[in-house]
Amino acid sequence: EVQLVESGGGLVQPGASLKLSCVASGFTFSDYWMSWVRQTPGKTMEWIGDIKYDGSYTNYAPSLKNRFTISRDNAKSTLYLQMSNVRSEDTATYYCTREGYVYVMDAWGQGASVTVSS
Amino acid sequence: DIVMTQGALPNPVPSGESASITCQSSKSLLHSNGKTYLNWYLQRPGQSPQLLIYWMSTRASGVSDRFSGSGSGTDFTLKISSVEAEDVGVYYCQQFLEYPLTFGSGTKLEIK
Repeated sequence: EVQLVESGGGLVQPGASLKLSCVASGFTFSDYWMSWVRQTPGKTMEWIGDIKYDGSYTNYAPSLKNRFTISRDNAKSTLYLQMSNVRSEDTATYYCTREGYVYVMDAWGQGASVTVSS
Repeated sequence: DIVMTQGALPNPVPSGESASITCQSSKSLLHSNGKTYLNWYLQRPGQSPQLLIYWMSTRASGVSDRFSGSGSGTDFTLKISSVEAEDVGVYYCQQFLEYPLTFGSGTKLEIK
């Protein structure tokens, strides 16, 4: 069974940094591109970015690329999202997703909640 | 960026009736390979989104045949025939043609 489990969320102060992790199981992690998607409290879905299966290439939403960094460790089957200089508008649930071969997000984690507040 | 615009449903929808959710893209999602890179997802209450339809009209594995997708290059419809209680949730369309990937704002389905 494909599983994606995010961790690392919580309450963080404005301007701080936070790193989310996503551990994958049930499939060969190193065969797939992976994405991060966030959902705001108002339920808006926003794609953050993705990373190639070997970690050699990333794409980002233009509005986030200066503050967010996606990486992966295929030996640990783990995807990461490094968030820096966080703002209140970064408050959201962050989902790790697998990008299937037919250009879809065919598996989603349960989400990690991040609240940015002083 | 490609903007995805979703329509609303006249909620609640009576159980057993059909429901159609619309989605419009600001640019054609038809690729030169003939495929249209439009996906549909359902987020049930309290759950993560799940894939329903890809390439505009292909059902994902395990998805009921009550769900069907159709459309052109910029106008799309997700039809749910004979809605059931388990169909309740928010439906999102998403384009996977080009970066940045973008989603519609979601369409909520309630059942009567």
